[in-house]
Amino acid sequence: GAGVSQTPSNKVTEKGKYVELRCDPISGHTALYWYRQSLGQGPEFLIYFQGTGAADDSGLPNDRFFAVRPEGSVSTLKIQRTERGDSAVYLCASSIGTGATTGELFFGEGSRLTVL
Amino acid sequence: ELKVEQNPLFLSMQEGKNYTIYCNYSTTSDRLYWYRQDPGKSLESLFVLLSNGAVKQEGRLMASLDTKARLSTLHITAAVHDLSATYFCAVESGAGSYQLTFGKGTKLSVIP
Repeated sequence: GAGVSQTPSNKVTEKGKYVELRCDPISGHTALYWYRQSLGQGPEFLIYFQGTGAADDSGLPNDRFFAVRPEGSVSTLKIQRTERGDSAVYLCASSIGTGATTGELFFGEGSRLTVL
Repeated sequence: ELKVEQNPLFLSMQEGKNYTIYCNYSTTSDRLYWYRQDPGKSLESLFVLLSNGAVKQEGRLMASLDTKARLSTLHITAAVHDLSATYFCAVESGAGSYQLTFGKGTKLSVIP
């Protein structure tokens, strides 16, 4: 597609429920990133994929968070047993990632998660 | 741990005026980015600054980078209402790094 696409754009769930957020990167971009943006803050890094593998998941806050990218394109961020503190906008970004230089990031419009 | 600080965090200015937003960071970095974010929207890339002394201009915005001082500036010339948005700087932590550390953002309101 023309840009990074994220679904759903809004998700309201109850505490303790399971949530999946989807990201479809720009075609041909091998690098994919998830960031989380809380109200009034800058985005915070969660996880980075180069191809199918998670090259760095050091930003995931705890083991309730998990992400996959099975075919090296679409990625899904999964959150188990959601807590109110998980409420934020989850941003996905992609870049042309080859070798040591991954290049400029292009962000999607985000998925706004509200945990009641 | 890389820290990125922006100031001011809030800026209200009249149309036609000039102002500068500052971005300081705590450790050596090869790249610095400026993004714009409109309410409810994603981040739009404005500038990528790759080396010491780099200066880039687009319309009424000009960004510069001083890697020795670990400082970047975003200068606004003759502000117009359409520039109202939140501006973020983001720093890449090292050569070939893929993690960006963002500042808290500067919310700019340009008053007609």
